Amino acid sequence: AQSVTQLDSHVSVSEGTPVLLRCNYSSSYSPSLFWYVQHPNKGLQLLLKYTSAATLVKGINGFEAEFKKSETSFHLTKPSAHMSDAAEYFCVVSDQGNTDKLIFGTGTRLQVFP
Amino acid sequence: DTEVTQTPKHLVMGMTNKKSLKCEQHMGHRAMYWYKQKAKKPPELMFVYSYEKLSINESVPSRFSPECPNSSLLNLHLHALQPEDSALYLCASSQDAGANTGELFFGEGSRLTVL
Repeated sequence: AQSVTQLDSHVSVSEGTPVLLRCNYSSSYSPSLFWYVQHPNKGLQLLLKYTSAATLVKGINGFEAEFKKSETSFHLTKPSAHMSDAAEYFCVVSDQGNTDKLIFGTGTRLQVFP
Repeated sequence: DTEVTQTPKHLVMGMTNKKSLKCEQHMGHRAMYWYKQKAKKPPELMFVYSYEKLSINESVPSRFSPECPNSSLLNLHLHALQPEDSALYLCASSQDAGANTGELFFGEGSRLTVL
């Protein structure tokens, strides 16, 4: 079965410093992977997706993620954090057995300090 | 228009009430979803409609009853709820069914409190 593990429940950074949110996946085939962001009291928004094309995926708001099969990882990065990046981030994998389902990680709360 | 609109934003109801949550999208999407999200938890899938037909019911209690009157609208009828059903209910849509597309558009949610 597919699953994702977000290695950090909380990450704190200073504004202007790099962001790294870690995600490992488990899958017996080539997965489709996504990062979603949820700002307080808002719905979720897709940041980026990997679907077996380029391994380095660029998303919105300066975020990118690299698919590393050897490490079963799909970490989210941003070179310079902005105050508006403070939010909850979810790493997500599609359920190949039931393609209408997305499997969510437990989330990482990103705090950005001035 | 890339919005999914949910109403109401907030709802307080007693355990004997009947209420409905509404969701609307005008992006021509053919798949619509209901998710339930408890505080500090990821969303949990409840129902999926594909081409206006219920394709997934994640063993949700019958006190939650979904309805898809047309391809743009999705309702969630609520009856005899329990306090533990208090949560943020998120509606989402995608261009087509099949999570490999992965790009779900979410509404801002309806925050439900059951007294």
